[in-house]
Amino acid sequence: DSGVTQTPKHLITATGQRVTLRCSPRSGDLSVYWYQQSLDQGLQFLIQYYNGEERAKGNILERFSAQQFPDLHSELNLSSLELGDSALYFCASSVDPPGGSRETQYFGPGTRLLVL
Amino acid sequence: AQTVTQSQPEMSVQEAETVTLSCTYDTSENNYYLFWYKQPPSRQMILVIRQEAYKQQNATENRFSVNFQKAAKSFSLKISDSQLGDTAMYFCAWENNNDMRFGAGTRLTVKP
Repeated sequence: DSGVTQTPKHLITATGQRVTLRCSPRSGDLSVYWYQQSLDQGLQFLIQYYNGEERAKGNILERFSAQQFPDLHSELNLSSLELGDSALYFCASSVDPPGGSRETQYFGPGTRLLVL
Repeated sequence: AQTVTQSQPEMSVQEAETVTLSCTYDTSENNYYLFWYKQPPSRQMILVIRQEAYKQQNATENRFSVNFQKAAKSFSLKISDSQLGDTAMYFCAWENNNDMRFGAGTRLTVKP
């Protein structure tokens, strides 16, 4: 158990809908990362938040957005869903002290999204 | 652009034997981190081992060790005394300044 939690575990929805995925980082971790793992694209970095602020952006679609709250949990919002958005969405967290060495990311169990 | 290549889509090994998974990467950065992650059938991503590029000494974690060749941009994972529970997808990853790239993965099967 990595200490990172994600809810829900599974989500089935229809095209055009909007869903919210939730992540709680490990205790003490300030950074949260979101990844998408699909069969054809592999594992791709979407976005990172550090202590409530966006720090880095990867291959995140404009239909997707995220935020990190004062209690450091994060939500990934996916809207106008398409069939191709079906994937496993991972959240990861790390300490990332300012000016310190890069810390390891620990992954949550993932949310499996199926868009029908 | 930074890329990570795992040239072995699938591998198998007999229980208790040793297996080496290959990983190469392409980067112009001098300081970065390298990781091996394991993804068992449960789909959880589990950190196996981590290597800082500025450290010449190869990282070791129990039965897992790496052969890090910075000049060759190679980062292979050796699993000794393979166990049935090692059966999983293994992903090599490169990271620098919040940019993390993963390889396509190697599916390892440990046979009894």
